Amino acid sequence: GAGVSQSPSNKVTEKGKDVELRCDPISGHTALYWYRQSLGQGLEFLIYFQGNSAPDKSGLPSDRFSAERTGGSVSTLTIQRTQQEDSAVYLCASSLVTGAQHFGDGTRLSIL
Amino acid sequence: AQKITQTQPGMFVQEKEAVTLDCTYDTSDQSYGLFWYKQPSSGEMIFLIYQGSYDEQNATEGRYSLNFQKARKSANLVISASQLGDSAMYFCAMREGRGGNNRKLIWGLGTSLAVNP
Repeated sequence: GAGVSQSPSNKVTEKGKDVELRCDPISGHTALYWYRQSLGQGLEFLIYFQGNSAPDKSGLPSDRFSAERTGGSVSTLTIQRTQQEDSAVYLCASSLVTGAQHFGDGTRLSIL
Repeated sequence: AQKITQTQPGMFVQEKEAVTLDCTYDTSDQSYGLFWYKQPSSGEMIFLIYQGSYDEQNATEGRYSLNFQKARKSANLVISASQLGDSAMYFCAMREGRGGNNRKLIWGLGTSLAVNP
């Protein structure tokens, strides 16, 4: 597709379970970002990948959060031992080295 | 510290009128970029307009223009001839630096715009 694709669009899981969120960026975009948006809030930066450089993980809220980007394309955000405060919309964006970030539709994560 | 402030939690505008959404920023960097995004109720984040700190002209994209006042550290979004489809949340964001690996965006809390028919 032409845009950033995220899956699943919705995820409901029980507290304590692990979840994986997937992001497929726009073809040719070397930069990939993960953000979190809680209800009624702005976006909170989580992690950023640029080409083969070491990712900027400075926004990950705890060691339960991790992300990888395989082959410079698809990325997976993993949350281990989920907590209720992890409930949010997780947004992925991609960009060229310069230019605007283009966002996917997000994954709405609900922790019961 | 980097910070984006949007002081208007909610705004109303009459259809076909112009509206200005405020954004002020705080940075110690000389090189930075400012972005506006629109988020309709459907949730997608849509890029609207970009202004670089060294750009001498105010950015314009169709009905959107950015009133960039560098000395005041403000980057207000002006929407001309409002349409019902403009009803959405609007976010201002900032990226510091023109190069390097730190390209994350710092976001404001947004302004909810409602366009009345």
